[in-house]
Amino acid sequence: LAKTTQPISMDSYEGQEVNITCSHNNIATNDYITWYQQFPSQGPRFIIQGYKTKVTNEVASLFIPADRKSSTLSLPRVSLSDTAVYYCLVGLLTGTASKLTFGTGTRLQVTL
Amino acid sequence: AAGVIQSPRHLIKEKRETATLKCYPIPRHDTVYWYQQGPGQDPQFLISFYEKMQSDKGSIPDRFSAQQFSDYHSELNMSSLELGDSALYFCASSFGQGGNEKLFFGSGTQLSVL
Repeated sequence: LAKTTQPISMDSYEGQEVNITCSHNNIATNDYITWYQQFPSQGPRFIIQGYKTKVTNEVASLFIPADRKSSTLSLPRVSLSDTAVYYCLVGLLTGTASKLTFGTGTRLQVTL
Repeated sequence: AAGVIQSPRHLIKEKRETATLKCYPIPRHDTVYWYQQGPGQDPQFLISFYEKMQSDKGSIPDRFSAQQFSDYHSELNMSSLELGDSALYFCASSFGQGGNEKLFFGSGTQLSVL
């Protein structure tokens, strides 16, 4: 399974764009890249998923270069409520291979 | 929309006791995952089940066992509890066929071992 590396923490002011990069050098051909957000004492929540290039939804964008060895989660105009831990997961769920490992997430602190 | 339901939300046990945690996946989801998250730590994968069969195993102690039943709900059984077992236990579910499925997590069970 691909090991991921993210910054341990990041600080931002409200209204700024935040980019969190995840390294996954040994990503497998069929692996997807998925980002989750976790608030204290709550279960992780899906943010966005991608395989290559760029994916955008209503809350974030995900940029994946051609070699797929890294990915960047972009949060536009963060607010205080975006203060959370963000996890990058790399893997493939196929039922019979159902193991997704959380690495050390990035603790984002947003202040006024 | 229906979410993953875990029970109980909180559980207090003493050392050497047993505990059973329950997880009810989202309807039609066939895969269940269990994670353990200690205070200030990242979630650790314990075990997963697909179509009622164990599919993957992580850092689950031998004192723990789990199964998925015919209605797809799952139970995590923990015996000879130790102080270090105090943690938040999450269950997640997914539909296991697509490869790019996402995990849906429950709110967790907070286990405190005294």
